[in-house]
Amino acid sequence: AQSVTQLGSHVSVSEGALVLLRCNYSSSVPPYLFWYVQYPNQGLQLLLKYTTGATLVKGINGFEAEFKKSETSFHLTKPSAHMSDAAEYFCAVSEANTGGFKTIFGAGTRLFVKA
Amino acid sequence: DTAVSQTPKYLVTQMGNDKSIKCEQNLGHDTMYWYKQDSKKFLKIMFSYNNKELIINETVPNRFSPKSPDKAHLNLHINSLELGDSAVYFCASSQAPRADSYEQYFGPGTRLTVT
Repeated sequence: AQSVTQLGSHVSVSEGALVLLRCNYSSSVPPYLFWYVQYPNQGLQLLLKYTTGATLVKGINGFEAEFKKSETSFHLTKPSAHMSDAAEYFCAVSEANTGGFKTIFGAGTRLFVKA
Repeated sequence: DTAVSQTPKYLVTQMGNDKSIKCEQNLGHDTMYWYKQDSKKFLKIMFSYNNKELIINETVPNRFSPKSPDKAHLNLHINSLELGDSAVYFCASSQAPRADSYEQYFGPGTRLTVT
């Protein structure tokens, strides 16, 4: 069975500092991994995804994530935080399910960016 | 043009009532989803339809009944509302039921409050 664990429900960084949001997963098959961002009162938006191939994945808004199979991790990073990055971030894993794919989301990490 | 739209945006109702939430996507996608996000931001899939056929049906009380009149619409009807049904309900769509290949696009959510 799949599961996703996001370490830290809240992360606070200063503007310009490194952003690191942690995600660990468990999956019985090679996983498809995702990071989504949710701004206040909005739906989720895909930041980036890993399916196969290169383990370092680049996404929108300067974010990237690295798939590390040995550590079952898919941490999200951004070199320099911007005030507009303040949002809720969700890590997710998908695997094949009867008739389709089922996506399991982590509990989310709220990112605060201080001026 | 909104890609995935939901109505209403807010819904306040009393226990025992029956209510519906509507979702429409204008992306030409074949697959649509309903997710429930609770007060702790935990997001869980409820249903998925592909070409108007139910393909994912999670452990959801049978008071919840999805209906897909056509590929562009997926409505959610809830009977005998309970306090625990209070949550934000998100509709999403994707081109096909393959999470590895196709991104899910989320609607803005419907905040349901049961009093």
